[in-house]
This record gives sequence, C-alpha cells and structure tokens, in this order.
Amino acid sequence: LAKTTQPISMDSYEGQEVNITCSHNNIATNDYITWYQQFPSQGPRFIIQGYKTKVTNEVASLFIPADRKSSTLSLPRVSLSDTAVYYCLVGEYAAGNKLTFGGGTRVLVKP
Amino acid sequence: DTAVSQTPKYLVTQMGNDKSIKCEQNLGHDTMYWYKQDSKKFLKIMFSYNNKELIINETVPNRFSPKSPDKAHLNLHINSLELGDSAVYFCASSQDISTGGAGWQFFGPGTRLTVL
Repeated sequence: LAKTTQPISMDSYEGQEVNITCSHNNIATNDYITWYQQFPSQGPRFIIQGYKTKVTNEVASLFIPADRKSSTLSLPRVSLSDTAVYYCLVGEYAAGNKLTFGGGTRVLVKP
Repeated sequence: DTAVSQTPKYLVTQMGNDKSIKCEQNLGHDTMYWYKQDSKKFLKIMFSYNNKELIINETVPNRFSPKSPDKAHLNLHINSLELGDSAVYFCASSQDISTGGAGWQFFGPGTRLTVL
C-alpha cells in the first residue's frame, strides 16, 4: 500500500478556503485516492474519491496532478463545524480491501 | 434511518470478562468491517467480511472473533478482555460494485470499550 504523508494540523478561519495536500509518491496504477473526515466521538465519513485530474462534489474538491504523486483536498468557505481530522488514503479498493488510515490532519476552524 | 448502527455505544467491563459488540447495516452492502481506534487515534482494520465470508483477518489476537449471521450483520466477540483492548471500535460497510467501490465505506458511530 502506498504510504501517505499529510500535515499534522492546520488552522483556518471561518469563510476561508482550506487546502490540505497529501503526498503519495509510491501510488500504484490501480490506486484510488480517498479522503475521510472524522469529528470527535464519531466514525469517519467519506468526503471524496478520485483517480486523476479534478473531482468536485457538494462538500469538497479534490485536485490530482498528472503524476498522481500528491493530491489536494480543498474545502471552500469553511465554518466552525468543519473542525475535524481529515484523512488521506490511497489504495486499490477492490472488494474487501482494507482502508489504511494514517495520522490525518487536524483542521481547526476559528471564528 | 441509521445506515450503520452499533450497540452498545459505551461498554465498561472488568479484565477477564467476555463481551460482544453488535453491528447492523441497512444499506444493502456486501462487505462489512471492524476497525479499532486506539488512544492515539490511529484507525486499524481488524476484520472484513464479504457476503458472510471472512476475507480480511489482520494480526488480531484469537480472543477476538467476528461473526456474520447474515450480510447485514457483523458482530465482534471478545474473550478474556485485557486492559490493552480499551479503544473505540468502529464497524463499517461498503458496496463493492466496481473497482474503487470499497474505498467508500460507511462507518458506524463507534463503541467505546473501557476495560478496568
């Protein structure tokens, strides 16, 4: 499984855009990139998944350069409720493959 | 309706006891998982079942035994509980309809196990 590296923590303010970059230099051809969000005392929640280029949904955008060795999760106009831990995961998610979580990035949104 | 539910939410017990945690998903998913999140907040896979068949069994002590009576349920039984078993246990499920599908997993609210 490709190893991922992401910042331990980030601070932001309400209304700002938050960008979290994840490095995955050893990503394999069949690997997908997935981001999860976890609030205190809750289970992780799927945010977005992509393979290449850009993916956007109602919550976030995921930017993946052509070499796929990194990816950036973009959270537009964050609010206090976006304070959470964000995990970047890389893997070939065929049936039953496990998710390998790293330490994640703790995002603190301040008023 | 809760997609993935776990019971109990909190479990406090003495060392040496046997306990079970139940998990149910109403999403019609094919695969279910158990994860353990320790005090340092690292999430690690323990088991995975696909259509009631065990497909992932990480290096977990034999005291932990998953049981899947049907596709919608995956229970975790723990024998002879030890202090180190204290953690939050999460159940999850996924629908593996295509490559990449298992990357989208739905997690339950967690069960906080405290062994005294």
